[in-house]
Amino acid sequence: KAGVTQTPRYLIKTRGQQVTLSCSPISGHRSVSWYQQTPGQGLQFLFEYFSETQRNKGNFPGRFSGRQFSNSRSEMNVSTLELGDSALYLCASTLSRGRRAEAFFGQGTRLTVV
Amino acid sequence: AQRVTQPEKLLSVFKGAPVELKCNYSYSGSPELFWYVQYSRQRLQLLLRHISRESIKGFTADLNKGETSFHLKKPFAQEEDSAMYYCASSGKLIFGQGTTLQVKP
Repeated sequence: KAGVTQTPRYLIKTRGQQVTLSCSPISGHRSVSWYQQTPGQGLQFLFEYFSETQRNKGNFPGRFSGRQFSNSRSEMNVSTLELGDSALYLCASTLSRGRRAEAFFGQGTRLTVV
Repeated sequence: AQRVTQPEKLLSVFKGAPVELKCNYSYSGSPELFWYVQYSRQRLQLLLRHISRESIKGFTADLNKGETSFHLKKPFAQEEDSAMYYCASSGKLIFGQGTTLQVKP
């Protein structure tokens, strides 16, 4: 069974640009969550999607958005990039939205904003 | 508000010493708590969950509702335990800031 796949693995962008990151969950998993990982802040929750609907959202500005498609694949978009957006962005998938569900993580997309 | 706090950024111990990684949570209702681990160059993965009351790789964690804690413990640390450890609570899956465990030979 293939794991969670995130593309691309690495990105370098310039301030002011926008970027789209992609996440393909494990087959059959319907819930996808996104996290920003930085050395100083750890793992911060961005948002969760289930059945193409955003179910939960973290405390990030509106420049961060996402969506989920009918095949459960998800994309995350960041507009008007800032230097502080440089981070590892992780995607996690779970079979359902149950509180006890184990989350499976991708290897992440390393975004560098210059 | 749902929150998970790991007070230590770095915990450094010698091989064979006991380890305790601290985690405190705030959650209205009955929380589901987890420990996730990230070894060097590997994906973040589930280590254990409180509902299972299991021991994984010698690690255990007990939920203390009175102290709102879910500390991770191991009686004798091994060098291969060196990794980043994250405590998490569900609802939406919220993580603490993470603790780097460094086990010295």
